[in-house]
Amino acid sequence: AQKITQTQPGMFVQEKEAVTLDCTYDTSDPSYGLFWYKQPSSGEMIFLIYQGSYDQQNATEGRYSLNFQKARKSANLVISASQLGDSAMYFCAMREDQTGANNLFFGTGTRLTVIP
Amino acid sequence: EPEVTQTPSHQVTQMGQEVILRCVPISNHLYFYWYRQILGQKVEFLVSFYNNEISEKSEIFDDQFSVERPDGSNFTLKIRSTKLEDSAMYFCATTGRGTSRETQYFGPGTRLLVL
Repeated sequence: AQKITQTQPGMFVQEKEAVTLDCTYDTSDPSYGLFWYKQPSSGEMIFLIYQGSYDQQNATEGRYSLNFQKARKSANLVISASQLGDSAMYFCAMREDQTGANNLFFGTGTRLTVIP
Repeated sequence: EPEVTQTPSHQVTQMGQEVILRCVPISNHLYFYWYRQILGQKVEFLVSFYNNEISEKSEIFDDQFSVERPDGSNFTLKIRSTKLEDSAMYFCATTGRGTSRETQYFGPGTRLLVL
């Protein structure tokens, strides 16, 4: 089974509008971290936001917020007030604490296009 | 702000040749990782390295791959005899501690093309 599932290969959003990028995860580890990374066309991986499995509040970082629904195992990224520079690939990723593996598992990504 | 650096940014090599990809981690970070991303696909874990030894590796990381930290600063990935399917973007990432709370900071990547 895939550990991270991103079901939206591509999304379009109008500039200044909000957009939600979906991510569901699969783990039996009670302690884990969820991450979102942005990959612009230049290729680098830019960390956006982190959510811990025990965090009570949804994470927020500027225009980015994470809609964490633990029972549904979802960690959707919400980008508010979209800007043209937000056009990029967005990857959801997870790390597990207790399995001993400390690497990130990535989803297949969502390509976001912001329309002027 | 400290950042992970990688060299070279691009490398073109002939099939069967050896390549060494280099990474300079953030200075106080202890855990190092290599990932690869084949064009248009997701990022895949290769190997993690801590305390001068491999702590985890994936099935991709076969005998053709090796990692080392030769001089206490650089962290290298060597591909002994490259294959066409090794063409990918290779990312180095580092983190301070190996817990799930730690953000892994990625370098800008090395784009490897095997001809």
